[in-house]
Amino acid sequence: AQKITQTQPGMFVQEKEAVTLDCTYDTSDQSYGLFWYKQPSSGEMIFLIYQGSYDEQNATEGRYSLNFQKARKSANLVISASQLGDSAMYFCAMREFTKTSYDKVIFGPGTSLSVIP
Amino acid sequence: NAGVTQTPKFQVLKTGQSMTLQCAQDMNHEYMSWYRQDPGMGLRLIHYSVGAGITDQGEVPNGYNVSRSTTEDFPLRLLSAAPSQTSVYFCASSHRGPLHFGNGTRLTVT
Repeated sequence: AQKITQTQPGMFVQEKEAVTLDCTYDTSDQSYGLFWYKQPSSGEMIFLIYQGSYDEQNATEGRYSLNFQKARKSANLVISASQLGDSAMYFCAMREFTKTSYDKVIFGPGTSLSVIP
Repeated sequence: NAGVTQTPKFQVLKTGQSMTLQCAQDMNHEYMSWYRQDPGMGLRLIHYSVGAGITDQGEVPNGYNVSRSTTEDFPLRLLSAAPSQTSVYFCASSHRGPLHFGNGTRLTVT
């Protein structure tokens, strides 16, 4: 069964520093995708970055990168040069794929990131 | 682009009342889903659908019903509301890529 674990309920980072948010997952499938979402205090869900299980390179999107370690089943989000606007909840999520379709998306419990000026 | 539209934004119910949360998307996405978000619990999947006429249970389906008669719409029904269903509800849709979320419905059951 799919499961996502985020072991850091809350994190603090100094402005302009880098921060890593941890995510581990459990799946028996070989084909799956991993997502990170940001939820600011306003409540909307914002897609940040995606990593496919067969992607050979780690995904990057601007200041966001995903440190994908398949053997360890981890997909950590790295935010470089933190900004005050990065203060938010961050959720890791996973979807399994079949040859002809795709399955449900499961989320982890989230990590609350606070950026300190 | 409307994207994913959820209505209403806020709702207060009394225990035992029924209601339907509406969700519509205009992106022709096959996949649609409903989540509830409670403090410290992240987003938990209630029900999902991979196409019209096809629905399946998620992690926390009890107390909720869904149907998918069209590609565009995926309503969530609470047949007899309970205080434990007080939460923020999100609808989301996608193809194979990332989920597109609605703005959420804040439901309070007293």
